[in-house]
Amino acid sequence: ETGVTQSPTHLIKTRGQQVTLRCSSQSGHNTVSWYQQALGQGPQFIFQYYREEENGRGNFPPRFSGLQFPNYSSELNVNALELDDSALYLCASSQGETQYFGPGTRLLVL
Amino acid sequence: GENVEQHPSTLSVQEGDSAVIKCTYSDSASNYFPWYKQELGKRPQLIIDIRSNVGEKKDQRIAVTLNKTAKHFSLHITETQPEDSAVYFCAASEGNKLTFGGGTRVLVKP
Repeated sequence: ETGVTQSPTHLIKTRGQQVTLRCSSQSGHNTVSWYQQALGQGPQFIFQYYREEENGRGNFPPRFSGLQFPNYSSELNVNALELDDSALYLCASSQGETQYFGPGTRLLVL
Repeated sequence: GENVEQHPSTLSVQEGDSAVIKCTYSDSASNYFPWYKQELGKRPQLIIDIRSNVGEKKDQRIAVTLNKTAKHFSLHITETQPEDSAVYFCAASEGNKLTFGGGTRVLVKP
């Protein structure tokens, strides 16, 4: 198992609400990436943070935002939740190319 | 942007047989190609990766080959075992993000 942790493990929200997901990186890793994995699909890149700065973004609207803290932990915030936001949200930490995934947060939007 | 196609979507093999999964990518700038195994309800786990300056890499029963000219790479699992049953994802990296294929569900029948 990797040293990447995420919280919470599961979350249920209603449309229009806001959610914050958290990720703790593996020790020594300064980069964190966030992915959305819909049921039966591969993970889709949301964005990446390197040393507290956004370092690339996928095709997701601005209501998906993030933060990285000095200890390299990270948050993913999603505003104005939509039904299609229901998915497994994965963070991955890295030092270099290789990315190690956390267990994910399963979000259900009703 | 990068586009990764993965085939087949499902693969059923008899225990002890080999399994082969193929991926193609579109961006010639991609230079890092990891493979992840994801069991039901668990995180994607890195099983092997290859960089564009290498044509083949092997780790016990798992091997990956890369053809940069044709922009395709493959995962080979020999002597399959029931515990190899999972969903396998290929990915290609352009800079800071991973683009994943759609996944292959592998079932190893005892």
